[in-house]
Amino acid sequence: GAVVSQHPSWVICKSGTSVKIECRSLDFQATTMFWYRQFPKQSLMLMATSNEGSKATYEQGVEKDKFLINHASLTLSTLTVTSAHPEDSSFYICSAEQGATPYEQYFGPGTRLTVT
Amino acid sequence: EDQVTQSPEALRLQEGESSSLNCSYTVSGLRGLFWYRQDPGKGPEFLFTLYSAGEEKEKERLKATLTKKESFLHITAPKPEDSATYLCAVQAGDSWGKLQFGAGTQVVVTP
Repeated sequence: GAVVSQHPSWVICKSGTSVKIECRSLDFQATTMFWYRQFPKQSLMLMATSNEGSKATYEQGVEKDKFLINHASLTLSTLTVTSAHPEDSSFYICSAEQGATPYEQYFGPGTRLTVT
Repeated sequence: EDQVTQSPEALRLQEGESSSLNCSYTVSGLRGLFWYRQDPGKGPEFLFTLYSAGEEKEKERLKATLTKKESFLHITAPKPEDSATYLCAVQAGDSWGKLQFGAGTQVVVTP
């Protein structure tokens, strides 16, 4: 149980285009999902908290207009990187909080984004 | 301000050589302390959640313990497949579920 998937697992896009990443909780409902990015040899940095049916809450320094988050259902959250630039290249990981076991978060496999 | 510090940064072990990883933390109102394992190019894999001082949890060769200031992850008789980066994270009571991660300990187990 407690499986989280992400799609795509990797994507290459050209500078100026937009990319959408999906995060799904496969066997549980997640009221809250989180989006992280991770640079090589570094730990995870929280970007935003996504709650089903409401606006996402962004961490300080994260551009909400560049990283659009939508939590349309209890099993799906999406992150859209708009007008991507090479500095947006990173490893993006989502997590979902499983309500049945308090506070535990399960992570997706991550999406490698490369902007050329 | 909440802080999570992991040590050592890297650990190289011979197969069968037991060791411990440390995670020291300062947080206002600990809601939970989490251990994850991360392999290169993959998302973190959940290992344990500890909620209160004195709590211990075990899974195969791994055992996690918690005090009021730190947590230890003990690796008993490790195997090469235990090689990974081990991440510690804390969740504060007023954090609305947000996790604050330490920098991780990279463990390499050689045959």
